[in-house]
Amino acid sequence: QKEVEQNSGPLSVPEGAIASLNCTYSDRGSQSFFWYRQYSGKSPELIMFIYSNGDKEDGRFTAQLNKASQYVSLLIRDSQPSDSATYLCAATTGGFKTIFGAGTRLFVKA
Amino acid sequence: DAGITQSPRHKVTETGTPVTLRCHQTENHRYMYWYRQDPGHGLRLIHYSYGVKDTDKGEVSDGYSVSRSKTEDFLLTLESATSSQTSVYFCAIRGGAGGFSEQYFGPGTRLTVT
Repeated sequence: QKEVEQNSGPLSVPEGAIASLNCTYSDRGSQSFFWYRQYSGKSPELIMFIYSNGDKEDGRFTAQLNKASQYVSLLIRDSQPSDSATYLCAATTGGFKTIFGAGTRLFVKA
Repeated sequence: DAGITQSPRHKVTETGTPVTLRCHQTENHRYMYWYRQDPGHGLRLIHYSYGVKDTDKGEVSDGYSVSRSKTEDFLLTLESATSSQTSVYFCAIRGGAGGFSEQYFGPGTRLTVT
């Protein structure tokens, strides 16, 4: 069974700190990886996608991919209370199906 | 805004009744997906479509059927609703031309089966 694993949290960080979210995936054939943010009662919203090993930065967000370790992470710099949400990690496998992790809840304390 | 709408947004129904949820997109994208989201399970794929009249099963397809007669509409039917199908249902489209590109989600339908 192809899986994406995330720590459910909650992860609590103070305002202005770096939040580090991690996930692992089981299917070595996965080719694209995504981070979504989901506020309570809302639909998932795409934050970042990454296809290649290494880092990808977009504003306060950095996605990191290590295919050898089957590991994906998301760093949020200068965390704000508005970043408090559940973050979903996802991997797209063959057959154009995307497997989602159960999500990590993040709380940013003002 | 990815141009995806879902209807109805909320529905309460009784066990054993048929229910159809509609997903409508204005983006003319090929791939469309139905997921359900339950506490502790994240998003789980029910069915997906890779073109008009082309559909395939996901990991939790039992008790669900789908149809896609037009590019813009993807219907999810619960033939005989059960309490275990109480969930939030999300439709998604795949944004790019490739099969590995990102997905965008509709606003969701909260379904309660009593």
